[in-house]
Amino acid sequence: EDQVTQSPEALRLQEGESSSLNCSYTVSGLRGLFWYRQDPGKGPEFLFTLYSAGEEKEKERLKATLTKKESFLHITAPKPEDSATYLCAVQSYTGNQFYFGTGTSLTVIP
Amino acid sequence: EAQVTQNPRYLITVTGKKLTVTCSQNMNHEYMSWYRQDPGLGLRQIYYSMNVEVTDKGDVPEGYKVSRKEKRNFPLILESPSPNQTSLYFCASSSLLAGAYNEQFFGPGTRLTVL
Repeated sequence: EDQVTQSPEALRLQEGESSSLNCSYTVSGLRGLFWYRQDPGKGPEFLFTLYSAGEEKEKERLKATLTKKESFLHITAPKPEDSATYLCAVQSYTGNQFYFGTGTSLTVIP
Repeated sequence: EAQVTQNPRYLITVTGKKLTVTCSQNMNHEYMSWYRQDPGLGLRQIYYSMNVEVTDKGDVPEGYKVSRKEKRNFPLILESPSPNQTSLYFCASSSLLAGAYNEQFFGPGTRLTVL
């Protein structure tokens, strides 16, 4: 069964303190891995798609990387506005469903 | 503006009273989906549709129905709601290019309470 596990569940950082969020996955043939940001009371907002091991993508202070078993979302010098829940999702070649992790709640303290 | 709209945004109802949550997208996307989000369980897919008249079950389809008669609309129907369907619901849409799934655009959410 396809599964996604995110860690840690919650993370508190001082402004400027870099860190990484982890997304471990088990799928029967990865078609794509997706990162989303979700603010309280809102729908998830797309950040990145990664398709194959070794792939990396960057956007402002965020960088996503992918291996055959996990993905990392690196946050460099975070700001308070980066506070949100970050969700990881996968899709496999065996179906058309998306499987989401439970997310990492990030708080960046000024 | 490209968007996914859901209505209503908030709904309080009673057990057994049929309800429909509407979802519409203006991006001509083929793929549409419904999710529910519960604390500690994350986003779980209820139903999805690859195109008009094509729907399929996700992980938690029990108690829900959907239809895709037009490409832009994908309503979620609860024929006999129960308290365990109290949740935050999201509709999403995505384009399909050469078999690859692109980003999903999510609606603003519908908070449903079943008493």
